[in-house]
Amino acid sequence: GDSVTQMEGPVTLSEEAFLTINCTYTATGYPSLFWYVQYPGEGLQLLLKATKADDKGSNKGFEATYRKETTSFHLEKGSVQVSDSAVYFCALRIGGFKTIFGAGTRLFVKA
Amino acid sequence: DTAVSQTPKYLVTQMGNDKSIKCEQNLGHDTMYWYKQDSKKFLKIMFSYNNKELIINETVPNRFSPKSPDKAHLNLHINSLELGDSAVYFCASSQGLRGGQETQYFGPGTRLLVL
Repeated sequence: GDSVTQMEGPVTLSEEAFLTINCTYTATGYPSLFWYVQYPGEGLQLLLKATKADDKGSNKGFEATYRKETTSFHLEKGSVQVSDSAVYFCALRIGGFKTIFGAGTRLFVKA
Repeated sequence: DTAVSQTPKYLVTQMGNDKSIKCEQNLGHDTMYWYKQDSKKFLKIMFSYNNKELIINETVPNRFSPKSPDKAHLNLHINSLELGDSAVYFCASSQGLRGGQETQYFGPGTRLLVL
């Protein structure tokens, strides 16, 4: 079945460090891929998305490229801030109404 | 303006009680969802309604019953609460197109603690 695998956290970085959170997927069709972010005490919100191979989604300095050949959608940011501390969820959706979420990766950024 | 709202935000109750959580969205979306998030942050879909019709019903105990009186509301009723029901419950909505590109909009969550 369709699934999403993310790197386990927590990930702890110092401010201005480079961030990568790995995400790979398995899907029977051609999914759209998403990164959602959950700040402490809040619901999830869309961070970025890509709907076809080689698309790059970007927002707030974060970016991820849809790599069909490696079935990956890794999240990157060049210089993290304390305010980026949150849980990050990779997700996929193929038609229908169901979104499949990864297990989430918690990021801590130290000042 | 809150796009997806849930009430209550916190719910502390005794085992065996019955409780309801309400959700409303003012985005004009056709599809609404309930998710359960456990203490490890794992997010699990429970139900989804499209135009008031149940379209996703995952393996959830019968004690959980969703109700959608109209497209803008999806409530969750839980009977005979158990300790394992303690979690954060998120309501979400999306436009309702069958394509894969849809973004979901989440409510702030309801933190349920069963004692």
